[in-house]
Amino acid sequence: DIVMTQTPLSSPVILGQSASISCRSSQSLGYSDADTDLSWLQQRPGQPPRLLIYRISKRFSGVPDRFSGSGAGTDFTLTISRVEAEDVGVYYCMHATQFPYTFGQGTKLQIK
Amino acid sequence: EVQLVESGGGLIQPGGSLRLSCVASGFIVSRKYMIWVRQVPGKGLEFVSVISNDGSTSYADSVKGRFTISRDNSENTLCLQMNSLRAEDTAVYYCASSVTTGGGFDYWGQGTLVTVSS
Repeated sequence: DIVMTQTPLSSPVILGQSASISCRSSQSLGYSDADTDLSWLQQRPGQPPRLLIYRISKRFSGVPDRFSGSGAGTDFTLTISRVEAEDVGVYYCMHATQFPYTFGQGTKLQIK
Repeated sequence: EVQLVESGGGLIQPGGSLRLSCVASGFIVSRKYMIWVRQVPGKGLEFVSVISNDGSTSYADSVKGRFTISRDNSENTLCLQMNSLRAEDTAVYYCASSVTTGGGFDYWGQGTLVTVSS
């Protein structure tokens, strides 16, 4: 099974500043954002997960352009620019490139 | 409008069985990849099972041989049959589907809580 490792596990950020979350996979997920199924999800307190980014860098409908994804191979990054209070929550990377799928451990974004 | 609604959770004794359902609207379940994901309160997301549009299935090692994912096409519903339940299966169970994104799971249900305890 592919292991997904996120860093950091906790990220205190000042409002208006940027935050970056890293996700590393134990084997390559691919190099093309046309067919590499690496996604990022946000989970606000008390809510189900919400898709932010899919295929490494594609923003899902309605997601603010403050959220961006990048990476290839085994290293991927979610960047949140101009952090707002509503961004507080836990962020997960997830791969769906082969069975079984797996999630990262989650990164808790907090306002400093 | 796309919607997923889970049901079937509850309190069950160790060794017992439960069947979770996820009723879908706004798309056809049999044409999409669908997953079950669980979350122990206060912990991270854990993949449980997936069924593809061609009926292929996969399970996490922790549930293999005990859980079965299936579809009821007549009811447009995703199901999860859970047997031989253990205390460590206690969690909120979410269903999700890849409806529009092809690889990203863009629609999620609100979850149903399963508590395994004597």
